Amino acid sequence: GQNIDQPTEMTATEGAIVQINCTYQTSGFNGLFWYQQHAGEAPTFLSYNVLDGLEEKGRFSSFLSRSKGYSYLLLKELQMKDSASYLCAVMDSNYQLIWGAGTKLIIKP
Amino acid sequence: TAGITQAPTSQILAAGRSMTLRCTQDMRHNAMYWYRQDLGLGLRLIHYSNTAGTTGKGEVPDGYSVSRANTDDFPLTLASAVPSQTSVYFCASSDSSEGQGEQFFGPGTRLTVL
Repeated sequence: GQNIDQPTEMTATEGAIVQINCTYQTSGFNGLFWYQQHAGEAPTFLSYNVLDGLEEKGRFSSFLSRSKGYSYLLLKELQMKDSASYLCAVMDSNYQLIWGAGTKLIIKP
Repeated sequence: TAGITQAPTSQILAAGRSMTLRCTQDMRHNAMYWYRQDLGLGLRLIHYSNTAGTTGKGEVPDGYSVSRANTDDFPLTLASAVPSQTSVYFCASSDSSEGQGEQFFGPGTRLTVL
């Protein structure tokens, strides 16, 4: 079966760095997405990786290792507004997104 | 720019009743999707449409139907609602059904079936 695993919840301090991990087992791979979802709101796109390596976009970076079925989202200089759920999703061989349950990130002052 | 809109925002529905959730996008995207989101679970795909006039079944299609008469609209119908269909429903669209086309999400419809 297809499976996306990420931690349920993480806590970090304002101004610090946090890494959210995602491991996956899917039928085929056509890219990995990270989305941010604030409570009661819709998911919004953060990043896309299809090749191995690190993609940097401002305070957020995303890493992919296809051989290990592993990705992480790195958030730097954490701000209170970063408190949200972070969703990992893999596009499978049918070009459908398989979603993880999300990691709720709590930022403390 | 409206982007993608959904209606209603929330609804309480008696079991056995039918209901249509509306979704409209103004971005001229080819692909559209319906997901449900339940606590502790990832988003699950109900139905999708890669282009106007075509639809396909996702992971959890039973009890739901869709149509795609034009590019902009993608309504989701529950023919006879059951309590297990209580969920938050998100409609999404993307420029491409393949590759790196990010999906844009509507604000969601919170449905409670009693």
